[in-house]
This record gives sequence, structure tokens and C-alpha cells, in this order.
Amino acid sequence: TQLLEQSPQFLSIQEGENLTVYCNSSSVFSSLQWYRQEPGEGPVLLVTVVTGGEVKKLKRLTFQFGDARKDSSLHITAAQPGDTGLYLCAGEATRSNDYKLSFGAGTTVTVRA
Amino acid sequence: EPEVTQTPSHQVTQMGQEVILRCVPISNHLYFYWYRQILGQKVEFLVSFYNNEISEKSEIFDDQFSVERPDGSNFTLKIRSTKLEDSAMYFCARQHGTSMYTQYFGPGTRLTVL
Repeated sequence: TQLLEQSPQFLSIQEGENLTVYCNSSSVFSSLQWYRQEPGEGPVLLVTVVTGGEVKKLKRLTFQFGDARKDSSLHITAAQPGDTGLYLCAGEATRSNDYKLSFGAGTTVTVRA
Repeated sequence: EPEVTQTPSHQVTQMGQEVILRCVPISNHLYFYWYRQILGQKVEFLVSFYNNEISEKSEIFDDQFSVERPDGSNFTLKIRSTKLEDSAMYFCARQHGTSMYTQYFGPGTRLTVL
């Protein structure tokens, strides 16, 4: 099992501030996904990054995959209360035959109005 | 992308009973998966299913667990004799149609073992 460490575990900020969530591993991943999960629901895909150094933007969300494909970050600009939720990173190991995902423990983001 | 549906949304059972959780991936895809998430813990891989066979399974997926796709559409996870520690959210996932790395998750089944 490839271990993914997310930090911070909890993040509480004021509306309009920026935030960054980190996802780190000592292992190399073929791909890395970011999901958002609401209580009692399934993870909802935000983005998939595949290439080392890749940057993807989704409105106010910016995702980056590290050059060595061992880490990733999620940056939210001008956070809004609607961004409140649990953010999960999940990676597919380079030697996986079936693309199964290993998940981080998640970062709980709270944006105060 | 088409959704993945799961039934039931909540299942309560007595310890030692068998449960069957169902998933209906709307479109046909190569890989299907079951994951579980114990309350407050990480999402954990259970098993992957490819071409109507188990591709890989985790240490969690012991002899009490089985998967099948009996009619070519429904994808089921069976737990033969449930234990208290089987209480969790169980998620079915399917591979994206064109991106092999991406998975779409169902809404989950909350299993409560009493």
C-alpha cells in the first residue's frame, strides 16, 4: 500500500482568504486524484493529474503534481463558504495492475463567512 | 459522465448475518472497485474486478467477502457473516471511460452491524 500523507488535517479560514492543502508520499504515483467528500456521501472527483509538474485549474482551485510525482497540492483562492468540505487526495501506484487508489486521510476545510 | 448507483443506501444487520450490497455502474467499463470507509478513517481499497474476475484484493478482503457480476450489470459485494468491525460506508467505483486513471464513486451504502 502506497502511503499518502495529507496536511494539515484541519484548516479553518475566513471567507476571501487563500488556502493550500498538501499531499505527500515517499512513493511515486502514476496519477493522483483530488476528491471532495461531503458527510455520508461518496467522494466526488475534482481533478486527475498524471504528468510530473502538471498544473490544472478548476475555477478558483489550482492543483499541482510534483515533478517527481510524489506529492501534490490543492490551492484555493479567495475561499468561499461553499468550499467547506473534506478534501481527499488519492494516488495510483506506478506498479499497480488495476489502477486501484490509495487515499490520504483527508483535510477538513472550514470557510467562515 | 453517467453515475454509479448503489443500493441500499443504509443497511442494518445483526452480527453473523449475510449482507449483499449492490452497485449499478450505468455504462460498461473495464474495471470496477469496492472501497470501504470506517467512520473517521481513510477510504480503503477492498477489491478490483476486471472482465468478470477479481483482479486484485486487499488484506481486508478475506474469505468472508465475495464479489460478482451475476447479470452483466449489477456488481455485488457479499459479506457472508458480518462482524461488528464491518460497520462502515462501502463505496463502489468504476473506471472512467477514457481515462484509465480516474475513478467515479457511488454514493455509498452505510452498513451498520449490531
